[in-house]
Amino acid sequence: ILNVEQSPQSLHVQEGDSTNFTCSFPSSNFYALHWYRWETAKSPEALFVMTLNGDEKKKGRISATLNTKEGYSYLYIKGSQPEDSATYLCALTSYDKVIFGPGTSLSVIP
Amino acid sequence: DAGVIQSPRHEVTEMGQEVTLRCKPISGHDYLFWYRQTMMRGLELLIYFNNNVPIDDSGMPEDRFSAKMPNASFSTLKIQPSEPRDSAVYFCASSPGQIQETQYFGPGTRLLVL
Repeated sequence: ILNVEQSPQSLHVQEGDSTNFTCSFPSSNFYALHWYRWETAKSPEALFVMTLNGDEKKKGRISATLNTKEGYSYLYIKGSQPEDSATYLCALTSYDKVIFGPGTSLSVIP
Repeated sequence: DAGVIQSPRHEVTEMGQEVTLRCKPISGHDYLFWYRQTMMRGLELLIYFNNNVPIDDSGMPEDRFSAKMPNASFSTLKIQPSEPRDSAVYFCASSPGQIQETQYFGPGTRLLVL
């Protein structure tokens, strides 16, 4: 059974702080790992998709890394801003399944 | 492109009524996904289609739920009869040629069953 876990469940940081959170997944049957950003009352929006062990992706102040052998991915936000407040979802894709994690809810306090 | 289009955006109905949610994927996308978001369970995959064919419906809660994709530009999710516990936000998403590609989500349909 594929199970994707994320930690922490929620996070409160001060504006300007850097932060990171984790997505854990079973390393077998791995095809891709996705990160989505989901603002309240909106739809999830894609941040990154990673497929290879050691992949690193970066978009502005946000970056992500992938370790498929040990089954985890980190999402980093440098210099958090209030507009970064959202739920960050990771999703694992196997050859025929898509499993979303429960998300990490980030609140950035001005 | 207009993105993934869902209708209606909001639906309020009474228990026992039939509810039909609609989705138009991004043109040219081969995959279409239906999700349900609830406070208790987060984002759940209900069913997905590849080239209009249902591939995995293991997330469909029970027989009251059914989904169809009669052509590449239209899909429906039907609940009959609806129950209060079906109240949730239902998202449709589409992605291009392979399942591991990025999904593009519609705005969602907020369903309230009284």
